[in-house]
Amino acid sequence: EAQVTQNPRYLITVTGKKLTVTCSQNMNHEYMSWYRQDPGLGLRQIYYSMNVEVTDKGDVPEGYKVSRKEKRNFPLILESPSPNQTSLYFCASSLVGSSPLHFGNGTRLTVT
Amino acid sequence: AQKVTQAQTEISVVEKEDVTLDCVYETRDTTYYLFWYKQPPSGELVFLIRRNSFDEQNEISGRYSWNFQKSTSSFNFTITASQVVDSAVYFCALRSNSGYALNFGKGTSLLVTP
Repeated sequence: EAQVTQNPRYLITVTGKKLTVTCSQNMNHEYMSWYRQDPGLGLRQIYYSMNVEVTDKGDVPEGYKVSRKEKRNFPLILESPSPNQTSLYFCASSLVGSSPLHFGNGTRLTVT
Repeated sequence: AQKVTQAQTEISVVEKEDVTLDCVYETRDTTYYLFWYKQPPSGELVFLIRRNSFDEQNEISGRYSWNFQKSTSSFNFTITASQVVDSAVYFCALRSNSGYALNFGKGTSLLVTP
């Protein structure tokens, strides 16, 4: 089944404790992206990747890192999480940048 | 910079009413792509439609229709004879051909009551 898989679905952590949210797609998509969703702010792009080893900042990249060492994986790294990074995170992929996005089921992160 | 505005934060209708969700966009590019996504209460994001900037034909899919007007930079979404299952947050999004970022509007929350 074609899908984007994010893990974990729920995560509660403390300020400053490094964490990684994994994202994997099995559709051989070139484009992958991370978004955060906050009430009243909609979906805001954190980082995106056009292909392996090619990443770029979205609208809200501060406090996040990404890497794209393999085509299928695009992990989101929070080196030192802070409470303002409490949010619902979505990973997405598409065949190319102009194609419709396929979204993962989301990761709800709480930083205390 | 490109921008998507969904001025309607929340809309509430009674079942069987028609409802239009507005989307206004800004871009300097002549080639771009517009999208609509649906987020039901279960939380997943579902693709509804993509429209290219060079294709201004309106589209109808069952009870859903989309009106793309370049002259007013709008890409509005109409649900005819709304149903309770249409209750969701709907997002409009824009990607220009000169960059790779995909920008979403803030979403419109639609509540359809019986």
